[in-house]
Amino acid sequence: SQKIEQNSEALNIQEGKTATLTCNYTNYSPAYLQWYRQDPGRGPVFLLLIRENEKEKRKERLKVTFDTTLKQSLFHITASQPADSATYLCALGTGTYKYIFGTGTRLKVLA
Amino acid sequence: DVKVTQSSRYLVKRTGEKVFLECVQDMDHENMFWYRQDPGLGLRLIYFSYDVKMKEKGDIPEGYSVSREKKERFSLILESASTNQTSMYLCASSLGDTTYEQYFGPGTRLTVT
Repeated sequence: SQKIEQNSEALNIQEGKTATLTCNYTNYSPAYLQWYRQDPGRGPVFLLLIRENEKEKRKERLKVTFDTTLKQSLFHITASQPADSATYLCALGTGTYKYIFGTGTRLKVLA
Repeated sequence: DVKVTQSSRYLVKRTGEKVFLECVQDMDHENMFWYRQDPGLGLRLIYFSYDVKMKEKGDIPEGYSVSREKKERFSLILESASTNQTSMYLCASSLGDTTYEQYFGPGTRLTVT
């Protein structure tokens, strides 16, 4: 069955370092992948979309890569700040309207 | 700014009660979605709608129904609430197909006792 895996363990990093989060998927060949941020008690907020022909995409301190051979996306936050602490979700588009979400990785940036 | 609002942030209901969760979006989006989110299971799609009066089952539709009578409003109905429906319910909308981002509401934390 189609599956998306993200690190279920929390990721703790020191302020100023680069955080790298992983999204692996199986049994699917998505044309694009999205990343969302979710704060406790709130709905997810869209961050970035990357297409299969875009190996890398950047937005301010955020960078996403997409390797369709490895079936993996990496999400980087450079110069991390305590305000970046949140849960980050990846999502694949399946069909025309449906999305499959990963379970998310909780990031904590330590001051 | 797209705004998606949900009728309640917190709701407590008794087993067997009929529960209505309402969602309204203000950006004329075609698509609307209902998810539930549980620890360790992530976001799971219950139902979605791509047009007024149109609906499709998601991955976990059992025990739920939906209604979309107006473009901006999408309701989730629990016909007879059960304790295993205790969860965070999230509504979302999007402009088009899955190349478009989803905009989420703040969520409703439903507890069924």
